[in-house]
Amino acid sequence: SSELTQDPAVSVALGQTVRITCQGDSLRSYYANWYQQKPGQAPVLVIYGKNNRPSGIPDRFSGSSSGNTASLTITGAQAEDEADYYCNSRDSSGNHVVFGGGTKLTVL
Amino acid sequence: QVQLQESGPGLVKPSETLSLTCTVSGGSISSYYWSWIRQPPGKGLEWIGYIYYSGSTNYNPSLKSRVTISVDPSKNQFSLKLSSVTAADTAVYYCARESSNYVGGGYYYYYMDVWGKGTTVTVSS
Repeated sequence: SSELTQDPAVSVALGQTVRITCQGDSLRSYYANWYQQKPGQAPVLVIYGKNNRPSGIPDRFSGSSSGNTASLTITGAQAEDEADYYCNSRDSSGNHVVFGGGTKLTVL
Repeated sequence: QVQLQESGPGLVKPSETLSLTCTVSGGSISSYYWSWIRQPPGKGLEWIGYIYYSGSTNYNPSLKSRVTISVDPSKNQFSLKLSSVTAADTAVYYCARESSNYVGGGYYYYYMDVWGKGTTVTVSS
């Protein structure tokens, strides 16, 4: 399968923990990566591989995976975390790249 | 640090060919996959295709008949051509570097760790 499914929108109270999920058959073979995109800006990688954060990404961002579902967890969400979040991976063949439809995170 | 910069016309007429170039600075084009991704207004990210530094390519099956991606290692550039464009091809176009790490057992994982700022392309007469 070449599809990754995300909830369109999620909200979280300031300082609370939120989990954003991504489902797809390819996630049984490949790790999901997570990107944050703020309005008018390019996506930024926040989690890659098993649970790796690029330099400069706060440690409140973490990733996990089970079966065909990957999750991005933000522990202690901040106002600046309000953004669209996209998951991606290779498809089951490994030859193509796929993106989830994106989740709009609102921090209340 | 590696930076990517997209360049090309911001306006393309219907039925014509969209051409964009991504210039890689601060690093080599070798040993990575180089992708094009687009984002129509108000919508999500769509992968268009990638080229490996050696020249091998893979394209989104939904766009494959219209897409060509090429690389010029001597200029540290890679390029996108999308033919027979329509209004549906109006989008912000991003170039990105895809890195890979080996996890054992013949398996790798891949992630896009460097992105260009994006360039807006409008298809209109």
